[in-house]
Amino acid sequence: DTGVSQDPRHKITKRGQNVTFRCDPISEHNRLYWYRQTLGQGPEFLTYFQNEAQLEKSRLLSDRFSAERPKGSFSTLEIQRTEQGDSAMYLCASSLAAGKETQYFGPGTRLLVL
Amino acid sequence: QQPVQSPQAVILREGEDAVINCSSSKALYSVHWYRQKHGEAPVFLMILLKGGEQKGHDKISASFNEKKQQSSLYLTASQLSYSGTYFCGTDNFGNEKLTFGTGTRLTIIP
Repeated sequence: DTGVSQDPRHKITKRGQNVTFRCDPISEHNRLYWYRQTLGQGPEFLTYFQNEAQLEKSRLLSDRFSAERPKGSFSTLEIQRTEQGDSAMYLCASSLAAGKETQYFGPGTRLLVL
Repeated sequence: QQPVQSPQAVILREGEDAVINCSSSKALYSVHWYRQKHGEAPVFLMILLKGGEQKGHDKISASFNEKKQQSSLYLTASQLSYSGTYFCGTDNFGNEKLTFGTGTRLTIIP
């Protein structure tokens, strides 16, 4: 299967702990996006990369969130000092930046902060 | 700003048709439609680009009205598998950064 993969699929953590999620995009895709989705809402943009460069970070994202894509392939999203409000589904998507391409989503990581 | 979808929810009998609308307050470069089933990732349905008008495959099609800054998704002869929440994602600048609507929950009953 050559789709977008994410790991882990589920994460339960205690408030104040750090968590890290990984996303492996479709191999030829140079764009990678992170979204957050809460119950009953559409995906909310967090940040995106073209190759290893982080192009934009949402203003809604606090300093506790950081994302990297060190070699332009997989990406990691880290949340430091987690809060209960961070509980959500974290979705990764990738695309081929050509102006006419859509984004393909991975299965997501569901985070629960206790 | 988030695009507005309507209706918020709709229940249909198998075989009936549905229309889901997506309106943006800003000029649109492209509109991307996805379907998401509970607990799963959004699945891409189709993309409509500025300058294009309508696309479709099988019994799902969509239109894009650039002047009105809106898109509509048409589901004909709905099947049970069409159940889910439909999201439109709008690209306002051609940078492929999508802003998603609040979704339309579609339920198909036998």
